[in-house]
Amino acid sequence: DQQVKQNSPSLSVQEGRISILNCDYTNSMFDYFLWYKKYPAEGPTFLISISSIKDKNEDGRFTVFLNKSAKHLSLHIVPSQPGDSAVYFCAASGGTASKLTFGTGTRLQVTL
Amino acid sequence: EAGVAQSPRYKIIEKRQSVAFWCNPISGHATLYWYQQILGQGPKLLIQFQNNGVVDDSQLPKDRFSAERLKGVDSTLKIQPAKLEDSAVYLCASSWTSGSLTDTQYFGPGTRLTVL
Repeated sequence: DQQVKQNSPSLSVQEGRISILNCDYTNSMFDYFLWYKKYPAEGPTFLISISSIKDKNEDGRFTVFLNKSAKHLSLHIVPSQPGDSAVYFCAASGGTASKLTFGTGTRLQVTL
Repeated sequence: EAGVAQSPRYKIIEKRQSVAFWCNPISGHATLYWYQQILGQGPKLLIQFQNNGVVDDSQLPKDRFSAERLKGVDSTLKIQPAKLEDSAVYLCASSWTSGSLTDTQYFGPGTRLTVL
């Protein structure tokens, strides 16, 4: 049972344009959402998060939007840079445990 | 600040053999996690320690996997005997506390296991 889904395995965007990565979840108990970024041969690194009491959180070029009614969140990267090329994982947690449930990842390639 | 250290980085074994992975978390982090990431999937939590006690091992295949956290610091994850489907990257992560939704998990580089 895939509770966190990233339906786009890959995305290619030109440098300077906006990258939009999407994530859907099914478990209504999830109330905290995170995005992790992963380079090859490295572990995932935390990028940005959002609590279910908010619908938007911004950190520099990165913005995460949460639509609770649709059980959907998205990560916007503006402007996209070549160094943003990586695999992006959406993750969610709920209740009092910090256990994370990850999606399958989206590989972003930012081209020159 | 040093990050989460893991060794070995790569391991190739034959099925039915045993293997062990080691993790050294960030200094002072009370919580340690082991994840399994199969190719094409996201990381899946195997076990979570708070200091040297187990918080969650509901997804750990206990018939073949075992883990311990020595003195609440380093941790080892063992597979005995290994199966072909255990081929994956094993990630260790740590955080300051557990039970906090906002506590960031910091990941090590992982150990890539190939079972032949």
